[in-house]
Amino acid sequence: DIQVTQSPSTLSASVGDRVTITCRASQHISHWLAWYQQKPGRAPKLLIFKATTLESGVPSRFSGSGSGTEFTLTITSLQPDDFATYYCQQYDNFWTFGQGTKVEMK
Amino acid sequence: EVQLVQSGAEVKKPGESLKISCKASGDNFNNYWIAWVRQMPGKGLEWMGIVFPRDSDTRYSPSFQGQVTISVDKSTTTAYLQWSTLKTSDSAMYYCARPKDGFDVWGQGTKVTVSS
Repeated sequence: DIQVTQSPSTLSASVGDRVTITCRASQHISHWLAWYQQKPGRAPKLLIFKATTLESGVPSRFSGSGSGTEFTLTITSLQPDDFATYYCQQYDNFWTFGQGTKVEMK
Repeated sequence: EVQLVQSGAEVKKPGESLKISCKASGDNFNNYWIAWVRQMPGKGLEWMGIVFPRDSDTRYSPSFQGQVTISVDKSTTTAYLQWSTLKTSDSAMYYCARPKDGFDVWGQGTKVTVSS
């Protein structure tokens, strides 16, 4: 099984901050990684797929980078609507989610 | 545009059986897999298994193999997740989703509560 380790588990930030979340895979997964945003009581929403491709309709302040085993989600200027929990997911071999990062207000 | 609409919340007792559904619309149901994802209260997302409607090919995560059954009815474009004997630890939110590049379409979720 491919394990996915996400960090940090919690991140305190203010509106306008640059936010970075990291995801590490236990083995090489090329670019088969996705990022999701989830708000309380809602289904997850796909933000980025193939490590760097922005899903249609997702604001350009979200970006993804990395390949192989190390990946990053960056929010360049945090907006009030961005306070949520973020998950990475590998899909090189079936699917595995990271543990999640809660972005909370500082 | 694909839409996935799930059945409503369920409250069950331990030992009871349950089958929840995920109805697809908007695209050719035979052309894509449907996945099920569990989210226990306050916890993260766990992939449970997938089904391919065209031939009912089904794959399970090792963590859920033997614990649940995933099925599909092509005639009604509906996927199902079922339990034969519920446990209190099955209490969770369950989502269906379409695996494409990542899971690009999600159902709204079905909350399952198992309590005596």
